[in-house]
Amino acid sequence: GAVVSQHPSWVICKSGTSVKIECRSLDFQATTMFWYRQFPKQSLMLMATSNEGSKATYEQGVEKDKFLINHASLTLSTLTVTSAHPEDSSFYICSARMGWGGRFYGYTFGSGTRLTVV
Amino acid sequence: QKEVEQDPGPLSVPEGAIVSLNCTYSNSAFQYFMWYRQYSRKGPELLMYTYSSGNKEDGRFTAQVDKSSKYISLFIRDSQPSDSATYLCAMSDEDYIPTFGRGTSLIVHP
Repeated sequence: GAVVSQHPSWVICKSGTSVKIECRSLDFQATTMFWYRQFPKQSLMLMATSNEGSKATYEQGVEKDKFLINHASLTLSTLTVTSAHPEDSSFYICSARMGWGGRFYGYTFGSGTRLTVV
Repeated sequence: QKEVEQDPGPLSVPEGAIVSLNCTYSNSAFQYFMWYRQYSRKGPELLMYTYSSGNKEDGRFTAQVDKSSKYISLFIRDSQPSDSATYLCAMSDEDYIPTFGRGTSLIVHP
């Protein structure tokens, strides 16, 4: 249980275009989702926290107008990289908080999206 | 000073060895402690979850939390080449916002 499905797993786009990444919780309701960026051999860098039905909270230094996050339902959160540039090339991963019955059980992750901007 | 410190390694061990991975932290408010395994170009996979101090065992994996020392460990018994991956510790307090270590790269060679 507690699976997060992330799509696409990889995408190549031209500089200046926008790319949307989707994360769906398959068998539970994800009220909170986290979006991370990861560079090779680096740890996860939290970009933003999104709560269903409200605006995302972005970490310092993350451009909210460039990385648009939408969490319109309890099972779907999206990250749109707008006007992508080569420096946006990275591995993007979503994560959802697992909790039910008032208890917390950790975080489950999507499989990640490798974005390459050419 | 980072909130969570984790040696990036790499840690190279022979097959069958006992592996010890650890993290230290500074925020005494952390209550939830997790270990994740991440294979290259994949999302992290939850291995162990512990609330507050104590030990937890699951198969070949044992997680230990010592809140008094702000130190957590993950032990892997009878390590296998398939255990070769990056292991990330994670922790959070009651706001459930996770803080991750930078990960330790483990290589188990046959």
